[in-house]
Amino acid sequence: QVQLQESGPGLVKPSETLSLTCTVSGDSISSGYYYWTWIRQPAGKGLEWIGRVYTSGSANYNPSLKSRVTISIDTSKNQFSLNLSSVTAADTAVYYCARSPGLDIWGQGTMVTVSS
Amino acid sequence: QSVLTQPPSVSAAPGQKVTISCSGSSSNVGNNYVSWYQQLPGTAPKLLIYENNKRPSGIPDRFSGSKSGTSATLGITGLQTGDEAEYHCGTWESGLGAVVVFGGGTKLTVL
Repeated sequence: QVQLQESGPGLVKPSETLSLTCTVSGDSISSGYYYWTWIRQPAGKGLEWIGRVYTSGSANYNPSLKSRVTISIDTSKNQFSLNLSSVTAADTAVYYCARSPGLDIWGQGTMVTVSS
Repeated sequence: QSVLTQPPSVSAAPGQKVTISCSGSSSNVGNNYVSWYQQLPGTAPKLLIYENNKRPSGIPDRFSGSKSGTSATLGITGLQTGDEAEYHCGTWESGLGAVVVFGGGTKLTVL
């Protein structure tokens, strides 16, 4: 069955760039009509959609983060990635990758803390 | 502050029924499908309901979804202690250009 796994640093310094990768296993990231999404959840708060990337490489972003976010895809590695620049403490959250449409499969999530 | 409005918490006894509301506007809930996600403590969200009222394979029929106008509702019957979780609604926001929006989440306590 398809599984998603986030990876990346758990600690990022303020003003630096947060970089995470989601590895898809169990099927090709290019198969079907799927696209791939990043979502985050600050502690004790609700979910926030960050953006999505299609297998073509085109992406859509949350307007509130658009100036700082880049989501890319590497079909040869069956991975997609998130870059969030100029981070502050407000970007501290659990970051999830998920399959779309429908957000029917999620990774387990990875905690990222922004602190010096 | 979330785009969609959910009650922060609901509670009911085992075996009882509970409903969780999700309120939005014509640019999101009113004109798009709503999904519901169950998040057990310390775990990732799991798709529970999609396209307003459809259940993915493996989701028991104790869980149901409905939508009327700009509000959606998740219903859970025959409550079990294992249903204690955070429940999130989500949909598309037409006004922001293909953006997904969520509610703030509802904590279900099974007394």
